[in-house]
Amino acid sequence: GAGVSQSPSNKVTEKGKDVELRCDPISGHTALYWYRQSLGQGLEFLIYFQGNSAPDKSGLPSDRFSAERTGGSVSTLTIQRTQQEDSAVYLCASSLRRRSSYNEQFFGPGTRLTVL
Amino acid sequence: AQKVTQAQTEISVVEKEDVTLDCVYETRDTTYYLFWYKQPPSGELVFLIRRNSFDEQNEISGRYSWNFQKSTSSFNFTITASQVVDSAVYFCALSEVGGGFKTIFGAGTRLFVKA
Repeated sequence: GAGVSQSPSNKVTEKGKDVELRCDPISGHTALYWYRQSLGQGLEFLIYFQGNSAPDKSGLPSDRFSAERTGGSVSTLTIQRTQQEDSAVYLCASSLRRRSSYNEQFFGPGTRLTVL
Repeated sequence: AQKVTQAQTEISVVEKEDVTLDCVYETRDTTYYLFWYKQPPSGELVFLIRRNSFDEQNEISGRYSWNFQKSTSSFNFTITASQVVDSAVYFCALSEVGGGFKTIFGAGTRLFVKA
């Protein structure tokens, strides 16, 4: 079956522009995560969606960042008025979340964002 | 608060050597999960193992083994007889049941295995 897919794979934008990054999780996975990985760094948690519950937005670095998940499937991460420090690889992951159990996350290939 | 520390930034070994990657975590929760992920040069993270806080039994999978010790809050990963294909960045991660569902990752350890 298909894994997690992300688009675009690369995005170059000018400072101040808005960008949208897309994530298609594995079919049937109820949990979806967004992370940011700066060059040579670890993964920084951004946001988590689980089913119809309110998302955990505690990792979003500023109000320029937002995300939504439509129909419990596809998710879009939007960065408004991009800054050079937003340059990073944005990773999406999904998992089959069961009650009181944390399952492994399946990661997409990421979107490399470069803000000039 | 959750925290994961991988003190080793980079490790370089020669093929066939054994290597241990350290992971130390901090949590106030009694129920939590620990993970190891591998990120090869191709970039996609791959799940290796999950452990819950009530299961301290060590695990071996082929050349990989994991040592979970709650007394020292450590979850170390050993690769026996390393191979060039093991070259990657390895991440340790923690999820607290009481902390929502976010997963906190360590900074990663980059492993170079030379032929």
